[in-house]
Amino acid sequence: GEDVEQSLFLSVREGDSSVINCTYTDSSSTYLYWYKQEPGAGLQLLTYIFSNMDMKQDQRLTVLLNKKDKHLSLRIADTQTGDSAIYFCAERGDSGGYQKVTFGIGTKLQVIP
Amino acid sequence: DSGVTQTPKHLITATGQRVTLRCSPRSGDLSVYWYQQSLDQGLQFLIQYYNGEERAKGNILERFSAQQFPDLHSELNLSSLELGDSALYFCASSPRLTSGVPYEQYFGPGTRLTVT
Repeated sequence: GEDVEQSLFLSVREGDSSVINCTYTDSSSTYLYWYKQEPGAGLQLLTYIFSNMDMKQDQRLTVLLNKKDKHLSLRIADTQTGDSAIYFCAERGDSGGYQKVTFGIGTKLQVIP
Repeated sequence: DSGVTQTPKHLITATGQRVTLRCSPRSGDLSVYWYQQSLDQGLQFLIQYYNGEERAKGNILERFSAQQFPDLHSELNLSSLELGDSALYFCASSPRLTSGVPYEQYFGPGTRLTVT
């Protein structure tokens, strides 16, 4: 079945760039997502990329997709303490007329002041 | 505010008991998903309903069951509770599948279940 893997923890200093990586197995993925979960809250969509794109930039966020290697990354430039959260990678595959989204386990980003 | 509501916010119960978690999706959303988030297992997909029908099953134990009602709200029933069932349970909803649309899932605030 579909599987999404990401590392559990990342620690960076405030002002540095953060790179969170993710690998997935479903070759029929149509969209890939990054969700953010702040402490005590549910997940919120941060950004997404369509599977026929290589890169998407949105202010401090850059998403890179290597479809051949099934590798997705999220780069946060000038990381701030407010970026401390858990980041979930997710991939969507469309099957049988409805979509199925598979989430990774989540990477906890700790930003050190 | 995602528009997805979950009740109760917190629940403390004893081992062996049964509880029901409730979720109301965003207005107009047909799909409801249930997830379990624990410290050691991360976010685990449990089950998905679409317009009242079960569509996908993940790592859902046999002691757990769910349903989606005609008004599209959903309930997750957890029975014979064990200490290891203590976790955050999230509900998410999404609209009708449309080709070419990113199809975001909207998450509720979660129900924190503590089994003692």
